[in-house]
Amino acid sequence: SQQGEEDPQALSIQEGENATMNCSYKTSINNLQWYRQNSGRGLVHLILIRSNEREKHSGRLRVTLDTSKKSSSLLITASRAADTASYFCATDTGNQFYFGTGTSLTVIP
Amino acid sequence: GAVVSQHPSRVICKSGTSVKIECRSLDFQATTMFWYRQFPKKSLMLMATSNEGSKATYEQGVEKDKFLINHASLTLSTLTVTSAHPEDSSFYICSARDPLGSRVGGYTFGSGTRLTVV
Repeated sequence: SQQGEEDPQALSIQEGENATMNCSYKTSINNLQWYRQNSGRGLVHLILIRSNEREKHSGRLRVTLDTSKKSSSLLITASRAADTASYFCATDTGNQFYFGTGTSLTVIP
Repeated sequence: GAVVSQHPSRVICKSGTSVKIECRSLDFQATTMFWYRQFPKKSLMLMATSNEGSKATYEQGVEKDKFLINHASLTLSTLTVTSAHPEDSSFYICSARDPLGSRVGGYTFGSGTRLTVV
């Protein structure tokens, strides 16, 4: 399977703390994207980082990409209860679009 | 722009029957569409890549005869679950590649279909 792997599988933190999720993948990519999914709902696109970029910011989100290690991380700063959701990385190889295994984040008020 | 409509959103069918799920790109032409399956509390597993006018490319382990994909036009791809069984119950999501990149990321997702086979 080309699916990427994320860790941790589950993460529980207090409101206000930072949350970090990691994603590892297997093949060369054009870009890597992070999505969020609330339970039983559709996907929400969070951020895209291209293969020639190393770091990107969007609001409280910070994404890094290390193509030599085939890994990426998503940092959510100053977490809120509303950030509780599942987070998936997804890799665009140009031909296919694969999702990682996901991290379930719970932010405790 | 770049909206993908997936229909139906929910379907319940009896074992042994077939179910068709449609995925339409409403305001753009999608030469490539993707079909995913998601089990509860799990990630999206790519089932197949659908290219307009040609046969779908299935991922390893996905039964071609079980999950029939047709991409007969630039705006419509269909997934038919044939002779459905309870283990086929799942959440199915389609995605279309937006060649003009009007959506960030270049991919637009349908809202998904919850299939329950009884």
